[in-house]
Amino acid sequence: GVTQSPTHLIKTRGQQVTLRCSSQSGHNTVSWYQQALGQGPQFIFQYYREEENGRGNFPPRFSGLQFPNDSSELNVNALELDDSALYLCASSPTSYASEQYFGPGTRLTVT
Amino acid sequence: QKEVEQNSGPLSVPEGAIASLNCTYSDRGSQSFFWYRQYSGKSPELIMSIYSNGDKEDGRFTAQLNKASQYVSLLIRDSQPSDSATYLCAVNRDRNQGGKLIFGQGTELSVKP
Repeated sequence: GVTQSPTHLIKTRGQQVTLRCSSQSGHNTVSWYQQALGQGPQFIFQYYREEENGRGNFPPRFSGLQFPNDSSELNVNALELDDSALYLCASSPTSYASEQYFGPGTRLTVT
Repeated sequence: QKEVEQNSGPLSVPEGAIASLNCTYSDRGSQSFFWYRQYSGKSPELIMSIYSNGDKEDGRFTAQLNKASQYVSLLIRDSQPSDSATYLCAVNRDRNQGGKLIFGQGTELSVKP
């Protein structure tokens, strides 16, 4: 299945963070979501074949990468308190198959 | 108006009853519809997908889609305490684009023994 690391992370406001995701075997599309407490996940962006393939309403300090092995990173610069959330990675077998399967998530706390 | 709306609940049903979860969406161009189950402290788990008007059954779960009314629902028959979770409705506008899933805020379901 989809794996993510780390499980939990505590950062200070203004710092930078990198979250990692390994997609499910055979899946070449990775999407990232942010889920605040009590809310549904919000789409950050999607990567397909190492290119960004759609982006939600998140500022440029949220950036990502996808590697040739289809793993992915989410980078967040200049952390703000409101960035505290569960960050979810989801993979799908192709860019046009919209069934997405989530990893366990990374809980980020910004103090 | 939110793009995807769900009653936040909590919805409480007795064990063995039918739980009915509802979702409405605002974009008529939406093509794909999903239900995810999320246990407290865990990540969402895909339980149903539906693309055409009508019903789709999978075990104790039935998804219903009515595009004319912009309405999708999930029925859980013979509800069990293990079904207690938050159920998230998600919508994708263009099946061929993959990409962005738009989620509702979720409905909390509590099944009482």
